[in-house]
Amino acid sequence: SQQGEEDPQALSIQEGENATMNCSYKTSINNLQWYRQNSGRGLVHLILIRSNEREKHSGRLRVTLDTSKKSSSLLITASRAADTASYFCATDTLTGANSKLTFGKGITLSVRP
Amino acid sequence: KAGVTQTPRYLIKTRGQQVTLSCSPISGHRSVSWYQQTPGQGLQFLFEYFSETQRNKGNFPGRFSGRQFSNSRSEMNVSTLELGDSALYLCASSPGKTYNEQFFGPGTRLTVL
Repeated sequence: SQQGEEDPQALSIQEGENATMNCSYKTSINNLQWYRQNSGRGLVHLILIRSNEREKHSGRLRVTLDTSKKSSSLLITASRAADTASYFCATDTLTGANSKLTFGKGITLSVRP
Repeated sequence: KAGVTQTPRYLIKTRGQQVTLSCSPISGHRSVSWYQQTPGQGLQFLFEYFSETQRNKGNFPGRFSGRQFSNSRSEMNVSTLELGDSALYLCASSPGKTYNEQFFGPGTRLTVL
């Protein structure tokens, strides 16, 4: 299975509600990142949290990281229809002398107007 | 600054053919990574180049190869195409050696018939 696994696989909410997405990983990380992808296009970086950080905010986004549980969550508050997209967590892990960025399979978020 | 560009955007090939995809990173970025995205496998790391050297490689057969030029532009080549190579190929660039924010291009949609 993949280093980063998101949960749930799909989420459908009403506009204005909060959306919470989770990511679990297996090995030690340097940092964990969240990306958004709209309908088969390129990914857009949302937020990065380092292994020594526990929480980070960016606008309506809040990311937490629990290294003891090897998990992270992404909270989108007051969701909008434009937040409809796939969301991926990516972990930066050390492999030998170099680090490597590994993506999960993604969460499909649908925000109903 | 202009974003990451990928050419061509769409490509249709037949089994057995070969294909070359191109990626121009953001000016000043020296790292270029390639990913294959399919509905079944998600985003899978192909390889990464930094200053014309392959720094990291994913678990893909030798039919997949790449290179980076002195101006940081990168190409990836797939020889002897198979139906399963149909995918969205994404290129991402970043400024330096560490995997902080990655900037993705729009992708090349390859269809193998």
